[in-house]
Amino acid sequence: GNSVTQMEGPVTLSEEAFLTINCTYTATGYPSLFWYVQYPGEGLQLLLKATKADDKGSNKGFEATYRKETTSFHLEKGSVQVSDSAVYFCALSTNSGGSNYKLTFGKGTLLTVNP
Amino acid sequence: DAGVIQSPRHEVTEMGQEVTLRCKPISGHNSLFWYRQTMMRGLELLIYFNNNVPIDDSGMPEDRFSAKMPNASFSTLKIQPSEPRDSAVYFCASSTGTRPGESRFFGPGTRLTVL
Repeated sequence: GNSVTQMEGPVTLSEEAFLTINCTYTATGYPSLFWYVQYPGEGLQLLLKATKADDKGSNKGFEATYRKETTSFHLEKGSVQVSDSAVYFCALSTNSGGSNYKLTFGKGTLLTVNP
Repeated sequence: DAGVIQSPRHEVTEMGQEVTLRCKPISGHNSLFWYRQTMMRGLELLIYFNNNVPIDDSGMPEDRFSAKMPNASFSTLKIQPSEPRDSAVYFCASSTGTRPGESRFFGPGTRLTVL
């Protein structure tokens, strides 16, 4: 089956620090990979995605590269802001077995950025 | 676009009462999903509708849970009778389809507390 493993949080950084949140996956079939962000009291929002190996998704200064050889999709940002404080979810979907609607989520990583 | 709309945002009820959660998907989206989020289990897919038809309800916890989608712009999730272990945040999400890489749009969620 499909699974996503994220680094456990919480992660606490100072403003302008470098961020990495690790994500690895196992999947049957060829997965598409996503990062979603959940701000306090809100629903999940798509942050970025990549649909094939070596693709780089990017948005709002965040980046993640689809690494098939290491089955990873690590999230990075060069300089975090207080407003980036949120829970980040790595997720995948595959097109095998007729269940392409299933989005498998990691457990989420809470990021807190202090001024 | 207003995004996915859910109501109520918060619901507090007593054990044994009926609870109805409502969702209006983004206009033009033909796929609708109900999720439940708890600290213990993370995000769980409860049910998936395509073109108003339930496709997969295997995630519905038990017979106390039911979901309907009478038309393309409205869905309900009902719990009857409610129990304290149903306390969670319930999210509705919609998308234009379920092709690989398709983005999913989440509502703000309904925080349910069953006393």
